[in-house]
Amino acid sequence: AQSVTQPDIHITVSEGASLELRCNYSYGATPYLFWYVQSPGQGLQLLLKYFSGDTLVQGIKGFEAEFKRSQSSFNLRKPSVHWSDAAEYFCAVGQTGGFKTIFGAGTRLFVKA
Amino acid sequence: GAGVSQSPRYKVAKRGQDVALRCDPISGHVSLFWYQQALGQGPEFLTYFQNEAQLDKSGLPSDRFFAERPEGSVSTLKIQRTQQEDSAVYLCASSQQEQVGVAQYFGPGTRLTVL
Repeated sequence: AQSVTQPDIHITVSEGASLELRCNYSYGATPYLFWYVQSPGQGLQLLLKYFSGDTLVQGIKGFEAEFKRSQSSFNLRKPSVHWSDAAEYFCAVGQTGGFKTIFGAGTRLFVKA
Repeated sequence: GAGVSQSPRYKVAKRGQDVALRCDPISGHVSLFWYQQALGQGPEFLTYFQNEAQLDKSGLPSDRFFAERPEGSVSTLKIQRTQQEDSAVYLCASSQQEQVGVAQYFGPGTRLTVL
C-alpha cells in the first residue's frame, strides 16, 4: 500500500538559515509527488510537483525538491528561510491507476528571529 | 479568478444532527475531491468526482457519509447522525484535468465540531 512518511513533526530554523524537510514514500511504481503548504486558516497551496524527468524540481517561493528513487525520498529545501515561511508542510503522493492522493502527517515549521 | 470556496467555514453540530457541507470548485474543473483532516494530521481522501460521476468513494468512513455533485460543478458532502469522531476539517479540492495525481487546488475547509 502507498504511504508517505514525514519523520519530523516540527522543525525550528532561524530566519535566513537553510531548510530541508524530509519525505519518504512507499510506492511500487514511479510516483507523482507533491509538496503542499498550509498556513493557518488557509487552504493547502501547491509548492511544487514531480511527475517525471529532471529529478530536481523548482517551485514557488524559492522552494525546490529532489526526487531520489534509490532512497524513496522527495525532500524539500530552501536556501534561506523567511519568517513568512512558518507553516505546515505536507508531502503527498498521487496514486497511479486510481484517484487518491496520499498525504503525510505534515511537518510544522517554526522560524525564529 | 476565484478559487475553491467552501461553506460554511465553521459548523457546530450536536451529536446526532445531520450536516451538509458545500464546495464550489474552480469553474471548469473536471475533478473534485473531498478530504477529511483531523487535528494534527494530513488530509485523508474521502471521495472523488469526475464531472458528476462519483468514481471513488472508498475513503468515506461509514454509510453516514454521502457526497454528490449532480451537475458536475458544486458538490455537497452530507454527514448524517453526526458523531464526535466526525469532528475535523473537511477540505474540498478541484483540478482541471482528469488524470490521476494531477495537482489540486484546495478550498479553505469547513471546520466541523460535533458536541
